[in-house]
Parts: sequence; structure tokens; C-alpha cells
Amino acid sequence: QVQLVQSGAEVKKPGSSVKVSCKTSGGAFSRHAISWVRQAPGRGLEWMGGIIPFFGTANYAQKFQGRVTITADESTNTAYMEMRSLRSEDTAVYYCARGGRGRETPQDYWGQGTLVTVSS
Amino acid sequence: EIVLTQSPGTLSLSPGERATLSCSTSHTINSAYLAWFQQKPGQAPRLLIFGASTRATGVPDRFSGSGSGTDFTLTISRLEPEDFAVYYCQQYGVSPFTFGPGTRVDIK
Repeated sequence: QVQLVQSGAEVKKPGSSVKVSCKTSGGAFSRHAISWVRQAPGRGLEWMGGIIPFFGTANYAQKFQGRVTITADESTNTAYMEMRSLRSEDTAVYYCARGGRGRETPQDYWGQGTLVTVSS
Repeated sequence: EIVLTQSPGTLSLSPGERATLSCSTSHTINSAYLAWFQQKPGQAPRLLIFGASTRATGVPDRFSGSGSGTDFTLTISRLEPEDFAVYYCQQYGVSPFTFGPGTRVDIK
């Protein structure tokens, strides 16, 4: 059974960075797309970007380009999302989600979410 | 960027009733790349439908999806108590893979 387990909640100061991990188990990793999706309190879902670990190159929503880096480590079946220059509006639950083989595939397995709170 | 809109924003219904949720896209999309998710409070989203009309593994057959072009529909034939939640549509054919704002289905 495929499982995605994310790192724990974080509290960060404005201007700092955060790196969230997403370890997958129970299924293939390298050729399956991993997406990162966030949800601000009381708000909807926002797709941030994704990566296919085998290819190593991530693509991003324009809003996050330059401030977010998505990477994947095939040796540990773990994906990462790093966000820099944090501001209060980045307070949200961050989810990783695994799709199928290929980029344009539905996200059928989700992590439990990681709450990132940005506060001075 | 493809913008998705969903209607209504909130749907108030009773258990046993039929729910019809709409999703419109700003550009024509390939229906192979339209998904519906269910989200309950404090939980991660759950994939219900992909390819506009294919149910994901384990999804009850009271959930069905349809549509093409720019207009898509999720239908819940008879609402069960566990179906009261927020539903999102998403297109995953063109990056960024945008979501709609969601439709809340609550108990009347």
C-alpha cells in the first residue's frame, strides 16, 4: 500500500526558509509524479509545482517560481519542498501528493499534510 | 493559466437527495485531465474521479462524473451522511495544474 509521510509542523519567522519532506513507501517512486499543494486556513487548494524524480526537473506555478524549490532523492524515496523568504500569507498546510507514471496524471495518494506557520 | 470556477459555492441538501456540482474551465481542456476531489475537515483531499468520468479505486458508484470541453459535472446520486464535505475539481493537463475554488455540500 502506497503511503506518503510528511515531516512535522513548523513555526517560522518572516523572511526565513522552510523545507518539508515527503517520504513514500509501498510503491514505485522514481517515475511517478510528485506534486506539492497548499491550503491556507479556511481556503481552497493551490497547486505549487511538481517533479518526476527520475528526470529531476521540477515545474512550478508562476506564483512560486524563484521562491520554491522542489527536489527528490531516489535513494530514500523522499521528495522535498523548500520555500524561502517566508511571509505571513504562506501560513498553510502543505501537502505532497503522488500521481501516476508521467506528469499529467491524477494525484491519487496524499501525505497527511504539514502545517507551516509564519509568525513573528 | 487555466482558471476553474465551481458552482454553486454551497449546496444544502438532505441525506438521500441528489447532488449536482458544476465545474467550468476558462479554456477547453482534454477531459482525460479533469479530476474531482473530496475533502473533509482536517483531512487530506481524496481523489474521487479522474479522466472526467472514471472513479478512483474504492469510490462508491453513487459518485459519477461527466462533461467535456469546458463544462464538467460531479453527481452524487443519493447523499450519504459521509458525503457532506467540500469538493474540488482540478485540471492536470496543462501546468499549472489548477484547482477550482470548491463546492461545500452541507446538511440541510
